[in-house]
Amino acid sequence: GENVEQHPSTLSVQEGDSAVIKCTYSDSASNYFPWYKQELGKGPQLIIDIRSNVGEKKDQRIAVTLNKTAKHFSLHITETQPEDSAVYFCALGGNTGFQKLVFGTGTRLLVSP
Amino acid sequence: KAGVTQTPRYLIKTRGQQVTLSCSPISGHRSVSWYQQTPGQGLQFLFEYFSETQRNKGNFPGRFSGRQFSNSRSEMNVSTLELGDSALYLCASSSGTAAGTEAFFGQGTRLTVV
Repeated sequence: GENVEQHPSTLSVQEGDSAVIKCTYSDSASNYFPWYKQELGKGPQLIIDIRSNVGEKKDQRIAVTLNKTAKHFSLHITETQPEDSAVYFCALGGNTGFQKLVFGTGTRLLVSP
Repeated sequence: KAGVTQTPRYLIKTRGQQVTLSCSPISGHRSVSWYQQTPGQGLQFLFEYFSETQRNKGNFPGRFSGRQFSNSRSEMNVSTLELGDSALYLCASSSGTAAGTEAFFGQGTRLTVV
């Protein structure tokens, strides 16, 4: 069935370091992999997404890589800044033909100045 | 372009009561999905509406229901509230024209059941 594991649950880095969050999934029919950032008191914000016909996508300091064979995808944040501190969620979609997303359990990222 | 609007932002209800939450999607978007977010269960899919029809449903009891209007605005209703229904309820707006299109979330409605 649909399941996605996200690691680590917490991640502390120094400003300027890189951060990597990884998600693994089991449903090979999934073909849409978005990442969301949620700040305290706000709804999740879509920051980047990738589809199964693409292996990597980059947008300024953030990038997502997808390995469909191994069924895992990762979020990479370079040159982290304190404002990157938030909870990050990976998600799976596209396998039901509709808009349902299955979310990972979240990673709390703390960037220290 | 206005984002997703959810009202109210906060609600306090008593066990046994019912509640209605509202979501106005991004202009032009026809799909509205609802999610429940709790510390213990994370983000869980409730249901999706597209062009006034429910086309997907999660594993929640029948006390959770929803509807969508012709202008794409959506409401969800929870009847006979239980303490465990306390959560942040989020709605997501998307064009919905193909599987796995970008979904944009509102700020959520924080429901507290006492």
